[in-house]
Amino acid sequence: DGGITQSPKYLFRKEGQNVTLSCEQNLNHDAMYWYRQDPGQGLRLIYYSQIVNDFQKGDIAEGYSVSREKKESFPLTVTSAQKNPTAFYLCASSTRLENYEQYFGPGTRLTVT
Amino acid sequence: RKEVEQDPGPFNVPEGATVAFNCTYSNSASQSFFWYRQDCRKEPKLLMSVYSSGNEDGRFTAQLNRASQYISLLIRDSKLSDSATYLCVVIGPRGSTLGRLYFGRGTQLTVWP
Repeated sequence: DGGITQSPKYLFRKEGQNVTLSCEQNLNHDAMYWYRQDPGQGLRLIYYSQIVNDFQKGDIAEGYSVSREKKESFPLTVTSAQKNPTAFYLCASSTRLENYEQYFGPGTRLTVT
Repeated sequence: RKEVEQDPGPFNVPEGATVAFNCTYSNSASQSFFWYRQDCRKEPKLLMSVYSSGNEDGRFTAQLNRASQYISLLIRDSKLSDSATYLCVVIGPRGSTLGRLYFGRGTQLTVWP
């Protein structure tokens, strides 16, 4: 089945540790995105990548880093510099065709204590 | 000004009711529009695209008014399973923001028996 996978579903970390969230897609989509969602709030864009080896900062990139070495994979690292890392993280992908509708993975709930 | 503004909600309606959600967007050059549905603690899922001529999918009708920069979603004959948060989504215009989705905060709908 084609789709987007994120792992793990739940992640717990101590403050001061970097953590990497996985996102893989087998939809042959060129574009991939990372969003953060906090309770009662909308999705906020962290980073996005339209093509392999290229990515752009979104609205809240500070404290995060990404890489796009393969078309299928777009891992997100939450660094210790991110002040409020506890959130629901969603990865999405889309084709580069005109409509750009995005499909989401199941998300990772990160809790940092 | 936010890119996308939605009705704050929440909407609590009985089964069988008709309910409408509204959304406005700020950038007149925006290209594409969608409604997504998000269940509690799950990822957003594409509900329907919104076309200039308006479109219908079963009990759901989406309308776009480019002159007023306004999008709507109408749900007829509400079902218990329609209870969710509905997200208005706008794709940025051509240029540096091509491919970026802008999400509204979402409108929560609860359908009661």
